[in-house]
Amino acid sequence: DTGVSQDPRHKITKRGQNVTFRCDPISEHNRLYWYRQTLGQGPEFLTYFQNEAQLEKSRLLSDRFSAERPKGSFSTLEIQRTEQGDSAMYLCASSESGGADEQYFGPGTRLTVT
Amino acid sequence: AQKITQTQPGMFVQEKEAVTLDCTYDTSDPSYGLFWYKQPSSGEMIFLIYQGSYDQQNATEGRYSLNFQKARKSANLVISASQLGDSAMYFCAMSYTGRRALTFGSGTRLQVQP
Repeated sequence: DTGVSQDPRHKITKRGQNVTFRCDPISEHNRLYWYRQTLGQGPEFLTYFQNEAQLEKSRLLSDRFSAERPKGSFSTLEIQRTEQGDSAMYLCASSESGGADEQYFGPGTRLTVT
Repeated sequence: AQKITQTQPGMFVQEKEAVTLDCTYDTSDPSYGLFWYKQPSSGEMIFLIYQGSYDQQNATEGRYSLNFQKARKSANLVISASQLGDSAMYFCAMSYTGRRALTFGSGTRLQVQP
């Protein structure tokens, strides 16, 4: 049973460029979450999918951010016109509906905007 | 609004001793879940233990137990027989009926000393 995977693990980009991250959840999990974590803080929720439907978006998700989960499997998170304040760890998690609904996290993508 | 408070930025414990990490929460929803995650220096969030608001017994998972005091709105993590590999950041988090996404506390850095 493979865990949640994320690609790339690290991304360095220049301010103003667009970046896209990918998350592959645990195969039987129908819920997928994106979080952002800055140094010394707990993760902050960005958005949540159940199957292919995006059910919730945080106020943190500005119009420069977009997320998709086209076939209810993997998901992508795109940041357009990156800013230095976007530098953070982007974490993906997945869960199976029902029960405790505990979320399992991937290793994260560390974004550095220069 | 839901809130998680972890008042201990850092904790030290001797190897083989037990340690308690504090977590208090605030919610008006009667149905909620409380989670603890471990984040080693590698960055990945590792699920440790879950407690549901209606669970009568305190949750236990191996060396981890959750001291759930509903009236005091506290959900402290107890790690017994600490090991050097327990050195990490520990985050308390909650979800509730109306929101699947996790709200995290600011974390506690635990250092286990030989």
